[in-house]
Amino acid sequence: AQSVTQPDIHITVSEGASLELRCNYSYGATPYLFWYVQSPGQGLQLLLKYFSGDTLVQGIKGFEAEFKRSQSSFNLRKPSVHWSDAAEYFCAVGGSSNTGKLIFGQGTTLQVKP
Amino acid sequence: ETGVTQTPRHLVMGMTNKKSLKCEQHLGHNAMYWYKQSAKKPLELMFVYSLEERVENNSVPSRFSPECPNSSHLFLHLHTLQPEDSALYLCASSPQREAYEQFFGPGTRLTVL
Repeated sequence: AQSVTQPDIHITVSEGASLELRCNYSYGATPYLFWYVQSPGQGLQLLLKYFSGDTLVQGIKGFEAEFKRSQSSFNLRKPSVHWSDAAEYFCAVGGSSNTGKLIFGQGTTLQVKP
Repeated sequence: ETGVTQTPRHLVMGMTNKKSLKCEQHLGHNAMYWYKQSAKKPLELMFVYSLEERVENNSVPSRFSPECPNSSHLFLHLHTLQPEDSALYLCASSPQREAYEQFFGPGTRLTVL
């Protein structure tokens, strides 16, 4: 079955600290992977995506993610978190077997302490 | 207007009411989507339209009725809803159905009394 798991429902980090949000997926074909961010009262904004090539991808707002096929993971990282990064983060997977359809994880809520 | 817009942003309705949610995309895309977002649950894909044709209906109850009159507009008509239908309804668009990058609107927060 195709699925996305974000093991951490809620994470709190101090401003300036590093961040890693975990994402594991189950997908039968070549996966296309995404991270979206949702601020309160807003829709989802794409942070970054992986289709092929370099397994370390750079996104907006200083975020990056690394695709590890052997671990079925696509973890999101940021070296220094800002208070404005507090939001909900969603990992999603799509691919050739699911034309245009994205499967989302449950989301991780990030709280940033001053 | 730019991107994907949704109106209204908030809606409160009784179970016997009929209302409609509107989505408009200003990106020239050919595919549009309705999602339901409930607290602590993954986004649920409801409907997919490609070139104004419905290509996916994910077992959504008939009290939700989508309409796509052209590639820029998408509606979700609501009637005789249940309290458990209260959620954030998100609209998204993509250049084609096969393009996986989707652009989301801000959503309509629906409360069913």
